[in-house]
Amino acid sequence: DGGITQSPKYLFRKEGQNVTLSCEQNLNHDAMYWYRQDPGQGLRLIYYSQIVNDFQKGDIAEGYSVSREKKESFPLTVTSAQKNPTAFYLCATKPRGSTDTQYFGPGTRLTVL
Amino acid sequence: AQTVTQSQPEMSVQEAETVTLSCTYDTSESDYYLFWYKQPPSRQMILVIRQEAYKQQNATENRFSVNFQKAAKSFSLKISDSQLGDAAMYFCAYRSAPEYGNKLVFGAGTILRVKS
Repeated sequence: DGGITQSPKYLFRKEGQNVTLSCEQNLNHDAMYWYRQDPGQGLRLIYYSQIVNDFQKGDIAEGYSVSREKKESFPLTVTSAQKNPTAFYLCATKPRGSTDTQYFGPGTRLTVL
Repeated sequence: AQTVTQSQPEMSVQEAETVTLSCTYDTSESDYYLFWYKQPPSRQMILVIRQEAYKQQNATENRFSVNFQKAAKSFSLKISDSQLGDAAMYFCAYRSAPEYGNKLVFGAGTILRVKS
């Protein structure tokens, strides 16, 4: 199947622990994005990557880290420095070409206990 | 920085009727894209419709159409012949130019309820 895979669907973490959210795509898209969604709010950009081995901070990067070692993968690590990590996290991809939109994965719900 | 405002937290519409969701945005760019996304209870983000700022003609996709007023920086979504499956959260989004990473800026969303 072609598409964007985010795993796991639900993730629980103890306070003070780092956790890594997976995002994998087989669409051959160049750009990948991580968004955070809180109740009653729209999506906010955490990090994005337009090519392999390169990424930029979004609007709310503090307490998060990413890597882009392969075109297919863009994992997001939520570190203990993130004050309020409980949220819904969405990964998106975009093919090369200015007219194309972003395509979203199914998301991961992270809960800090 | 660009901002997107959706002033209606919640809207209701009777099945088969028409509803309009509002969106305004602020930008200094002249070339950009605007989108409406739908997020049903599954939380999967689904693209509903897109508008390129340099095109004066309003985009349409079946029962969905937009009213794009560039000077007023307004981008409303009209849903005609509303169906129960249209019930969802709707997000308006602005996409910046490629040199800025094609980043999406989202509004806070409007919950649409459809009554049978």
